[in-house]
Amino acid sequence: GIQVEQSPPDLILQEGANSTLRCNFSDSVNNLQWFHQNPWGQLINLFYIPSGTKQNGRLSATTVATERYSLLYISSSQTTDSGVYFCAVYGGSQGNLIFGKGTKLSVKP
Amino acid sequence: KAGVTQTPRYLIKTRGQQVTLSCSPISGHRSVSWYQQTPGQGLQFLFEYFSETQRNKGNFPGRFSGRQFSNSRSEMNVSTLELGDSALYLCASSLGQMDWGSYNSPLHFGNGTRLTVT
Repeated sequence: GIQVEQSPPDLILQEGANSTLRCNFSDSVNNLQWFHQNPWGQLINLFYIPSGTKQNGRLSATTVATERYSLLYISSSQTTDSGVYFCAVYGGSQGNLIFGKGTKLSVKP
Repeated sequence: KAGVTQTPRYLIKTRGQQVTLSCSPISGHRSVSWYQQTPGQGLQFLFEYFSETQRNKGNFPGRFSGRQFSNSRSEMNVSTLELGDSALYLCASSLGQMDWGSYNSPLHFGNGTRLTVT
């Protein structure tokens, strides 16, 4: 089945810093999504981005499907950006979204 | 537009009991999927329902079951609870099925139900 690997597993930033989170996947996908899980457990959909680039405020994402990776950029980080960022791709024998293990981001004031 | 609503938020059960979790999707969304999240295994897919039919099922024992009603609301049931079933159970809805190829079907999650089995 499709493997999804995210890096780095943990990231500590000072408020105002920029960061790049990476998601590698092992096979062709046609559905890739980025999520943010806040400290209270709520999962928020950030981007649906099977290919190309999208931007939403301080966040942007790029997926290069042919090279099987996606990047999530966070600029001018804020403490509210803390949490775990997951990427998920559609695939697998069960026909479901497969989640990576996530990148835990801590933004210090 | 209201988001995905899951009830209850917290549950404490004892081994051997059964539990039913409820999920109301975003209005107009016809697909509901369920996920189990644990520190050790991460986010794992349980099943997906679309138009009252189970479309896909994850690798979980038969104690885990679900259903979807005509208004797209879904319930998930776990029978004969085990300690290892303690987890955050998340429900998500989307406009279309997850296997619609390039169809734009972003997932929207509820706040989850945290189940503790003692």
